[in-house]
Amino acid sequence: DTGVSQNPRHKITKRGQNVTFRCDPISEHNRLYWYRQTLGQGPEFLTYFQNEAQLEKSRLLSDRFSAERPKGSFSTLEIQRTEQGDSAMYLCASSLSTGKAYGYTFGSGTRLTVV
Amino acid sequence: DAKTTQPPSMDCAEGRAANLPCNHSTISGNEYVYWYRQIHSQGPQYIIHGLKNNETNEMASLIITEDRKSSTLILPHATLRDTAVYYCIVRPASGNTPLVFGKGTRLSVIA
Repeated sequence: DTGVSQNPRHKITKRGQNVTFRCDPISEHNRLYWYRQTLGQGPEFLTYFQNEAQLEKSRLLSDRFSAERPKGSFSTLEIQRTEQGDSAMYLCASSLSTGKAYGYTFGSGTRLTVV
Repeated sequence: DAKTTQPPSMDCAEGRAANLPCNHSTISGNEYVYWYRQIHSQGPQYIIHGLKNNETNEMASLIITEDRKSSTLILPHATLRDTAVYYCIVRPASGNTPLVFGKGTRLSVIA
């Protein structure tokens, strides 16, 4: 078990460009979550999947954001037409849905800088 | 929105116990208390969780008051590597609600 893997670790992009991040969860985990974190704040929930189904999306997830988990394994988060306000750390986490009170395992995140 | 209140920062001497308080006065009967921590430039790390009984694991102890309106995370012998932001979160037992993080407590362990 190598934990939750996120790529790339860092991304610098020009305003208006599209970016895509990848998250590989722990293999037996059926739930996958995306969070965003800005400096000095706690992580903010964006969306989550159970297997390939996207079950919940935050109002923070504008139409420029889209997330997929096509085969219930890895997930991608795409941001179209990036804005400077999108600069943040994007965190992915995975967990099991069965049993009670399972904790999340987080990846190390992808730091996005929009210039 | 976060349903917990934590002090923004605390200091602790290395080797001493760090006691991190959390107020969750509106907690419901079916909600667990979770603690996570985030070391600089890393993702949050699960520490411990509990419902109403005190819990202990290899990382920490969790003391929940009898009325469940507050709790304390105890790191028995803090080291410099425990310097991090600690988040206290309440979440329904069903597990169908995503974790909601507040701003947490920034713990600085001082040599």
